[in-house]
Amino acid sequence: GESVGLHLPTLSVQEGDNSIINCAYSNSASDYFIWYKQESGKGPQFIIDIRSNMDKRQGQRVTVLLNKTVKHLSLQIAATQPGDSAVYFCAEREDYKLSFGAGTTVTVRA
Amino acid sequence: DSGVTQTPKHLITATGQRVTLRCSPRSGDLSVYWYQQSLDQGLQFLIQYYNGEERAKGNILERFSAQQFPDLHSELNLSSLELGDSALYFCASSVTSTSYNEQFFGPGTRLTVL
Repeated sequence: GESVGLHLPTLSVQEGDNSIINCAYSNSASDYFIWYKQESGKGPQFIIDIRSNMDKRQGQRVTVLLNKTVKHLSLQIAATQPGDSAVYFCAEREDYKLSFGAGTTVTVRA
Repeated sequence: DSGVTQTPKHLITATGQRVTLRCSPRSGDLSVYWYQQSLDQGLQFLIQYYNGEERAKGNILERFSAQQFPDLHSELNLSSLELGDSALYFCASSVTSTSYNEQFFGPGTRLTVL
């Protein structure tokens, strides 16, 4: 079946800079998208979501952008902090079923 | 601490065996989700229950089954285990069947099949 994928497996970013994590999806029937953060040794943690009828949503220091034309999802983290070091997954939902991308490992340099 | 508990934390067993993983959702949460995370397959959604009823099925093998009991705890049964079933199994819970923004994950059960 169709699956969600990420463009880059790793991202190294300087502390204080902005981070952009990308995700490509292929299922045009997906109506809802989620970004998760997973720190080492822990379970995933919800960061932010967006419905398919929106193209942008902002949270605290995070913004998710959805481009349905090219089936692209991105997560922007403002003023990246050491605590942002983790693996980030995008997920898409169709009929209550979630499909996850492979994950991008973000490393924050001091 | 997310409030979701999973037991056991670690499980080592042999091929062909059967194991049961247990999950207790956060107080008040009616929906339980099971996920598998392995190095080669990544994070995969297995199954979701809401108030005792199956709500959605993902990439769950026929050798695997789950249920949610009246007290809302859930069990994931894995049978005829294969080496490839070695993975982290996460349970998550939320109040409703669609409140992913209030979905909390447990610490996981690490299953090793030898």
